[in-house]
Amino acid sequence: DVKVTQSSRYLVKRTGEKVFLECVQDMDHENMFWYRQDPGLGLRLIYFSYDVKMKEKGDIPEGYSVSREKKERFSLILESASTNQTSMYLCASSLLGQDPYEQYFGPGTRLTVT
Amino acid sequence: AQSVTQPDIHITVSEGASLELRCNYSYGATPYLFWYVQSPGQGLQLLLKYFSGDTLVQGIKGFEAEFKRSQSSFNLRKPSVHWSDAAEYFCAVAPNTNAGKSTFGDGTTLTVKP
Repeated sequence: DVKVTQSSRYLVKRTGEKVFLECVQDMDHENMFWYRQDPGLGLRLIYFSYDVKMKEKGDIPEGYSVSREKKERFSLILESASTNQTSMYLCASSLLGQDPYEQYFGPGTRLTVT
Repeated sequence: AQSVTQPDIHITVSEGASLELRCNYSYGATPYLFWYVQSPGQGLQLLLKYFSGDTLVQGIKGFEAEFKRSQSSFNLRKPSVHWSDAAEYFCAVAPNTNAGKSTFGDGTTLTVKP
């Protein structure tokens, strides 16, 4: 069974803290994504990566960075957490190729910044 | 750039009734189209996808969707809704040049009345 796992389901951090969200996939997928999900706003792409050490900005990269040192792992970093980064964070992965392979999602991390 | 509109934020149907969730997209060429479902507390799961061929596609859990190029639509249907279908549904579009990077609609929340 294919799987995308995220390190935490719930996380509470203080303003100004550095926050790491980890995502691991076991499907040997090239593409990995980080989204945030907010009520009424759907899913917004923060960053994605199509290969190890490669990354591209999504629609809302400000305040975030990412790291992909290994193919199976994609980390989202909040350098200095702020209250407006309180959200649900979803990681996803997909194959890279000509066909539009669907994205496989993790269960999400609900982050609260106080 | 592509975009997706889901006109209905919230839909309520009675169990056993038929369902149609609307999705309109904007893209200059034939896009790749997806419907995902998100149950409470879960990540997104693919219901079905379209990228070529028959414009009526069948998915899991008894769902189907029809691609209508003239209307730029990809509406999701189910003939008889079950209580377990209560969830949030997302339509997504990916360009046919970069299969990995999808744009998601804002989602439609489905409530099922007993």
